[in-house]
Amino acid sequence: DIQLTQFPSFLSASVGDRVTITCRASQDISSYLAWYQQKPGRAPKLLIYAASTLQSGVPSRFSGSRSGTEFTLTISSLQPEDFATYYCQQLFNFPVTFGQGTKVEIK
Amino acid sequence: EVQLVESGGGLVQPGGSLRLSCAASGFTFSDHYMDWVRQAPGKGLEWVGRHRNRAKSYTTEYAASVKGRFSISRDESNNLLYLQMNSLKSDDTAVYYCTRSSDTRDFDTWGQGTLVTVSS
Repeated sequence: DIQLTQFPSFLSASVGDRVTITCRASQDISSYLAWYQQKPGRAPKLLIYAASTLQSGVPSRFSGSRSGTEFTLTISSLQPEDFATYYCQQLFNFPVTFGQGTKVEIK
Repeated sequence: EVQLVESGGGLVQPGGSLRLSCAASGFTFSDHYMDWVRQAPGKGLEWVGRHRNRAKSYTTEYAASVKGRFSISRDESNNLLYLQMNSLKSDDTAVYYCTRSSDTRDFDTWGQGTLVTVSS
């Protein structure tokens, strides 16, 4: 199975901060990586697919990038509604796997 | 509006069975692969399984943790996806989400989830 190591697990930040979350795959997954945002009691929401493509309707302050097997989700200026848990997901092969999640909390 | 609505969750005893349903609307259900994802209380996301479309002969994939106990099927005439869960264990306690797989493989639409609790 492909392992996704996501870090940090927890992040404390202020409104307006630039935030970066990293997801490292245990093997090459090409660009078959997606990022999701989940708020408490809610279903996950797709933010980024194919490593760097912004899902329709998602604010442009979110961006994704890839360097080999390392993937990054960046929020350029954290907004109050961005405090949530973020997950990466690989769709290169089965089983589909998720990172452990990064909880972004208010500093 | 593209929408997925799960139902059928509840309390079941260990060793019991339960069938979850997912009602799809707002898109051509028969065109899409569909997946189930679950989330144990306070934990992360775990993929459960996939049901491909008619073009791919409705083939399925399952996570090792549920293979042989869970099965996914669909009723295209009523736009329904099912998750049949047998031999349930306490570790299967989770919120179960129905998701739509997009052309780029990601899960672009999620239902609200339905809670399954396995306990005596």
